[in-house]
Amino acid sequence: AQRVTQPEKLLSVFKGAPVELKCNYSYSGSPELFWYVQYSRQRLQLLLRHISRESIKGFTADLNKGETSFHLKKPFAQEEDSAMYYCALSGTGGTSYGKLTFGQGTILTVHP
Amino acid sequence: EPEVTQTPSHQVTQMGQEVILRCVPISNHLYFYWYRQILGQKVEFLVSFYNNEISEKSEIFDDQFSVERPDGSNFTLKIRSTKLEDSAMYFCASTQGYYGYTFGSGTRLTVV
Repeated sequence: AQRVTQPEKLLSVFKGAPVELKCNYSYSGSPELFWYVQYSRQRLQLLLRHISRESIKGFTADLNKGETSFHLKKPFAQEEDSAMYYCALSGTGGTSYGKLTFGQGTILTVHP
Repeated sequence: EPEVTQTPSHQVTQMGQEVILRCVPISNHLYFYWYRQILGQKVEFLVSFYNNEISEKSEIFDDQFSVERPDGSNFTLKIRSTKLEDSAMYFCASTQGYYGYTFGSGTRLTVV
């Protein structure tokens, strides 16, 4: 079974501070991991996927298979980063192909 | 940038009524999905659709639910006899291949 856990429902930081949004997963095969962001009243947008190893808006995330984690990090938070962040997992074959399993989401608030 | 379009943005219906939620996926995408998010809860997978048939569905997607791609552009979710617990935000998504879903902005369904 696929499971994604985001332990923090709310996270508050000040502008310029580092931020880390935690994500842990459970999956028996080799998963694909994603971070999605949802700004106020807007649609879910893909922020990062682990296979591309890119940095978007200063955010990075590294897949740690040993710890089954995919934490999202940014060294210097900005006010415009305030949003809901979802970690998601997709299986890599069989009946779980393409289906995303989401975590509960973390609301990030960046204070001025 | 191409978008997934969902209509209506908000639908209010009486319990027991049928509702149809509409989605126009991105034109060259091949895989289509419906997800829902009950207020305060995580985004949950409902169904995936490929090659004109359901490829996977969740336990939530019971006989009251159906999906259709009637004309090669629209992708609809029908709930035959709505219940109070069907009240949620419903998201449509599409993808061309394996990665990088594009989500619609959602339809908020309120069952009264």
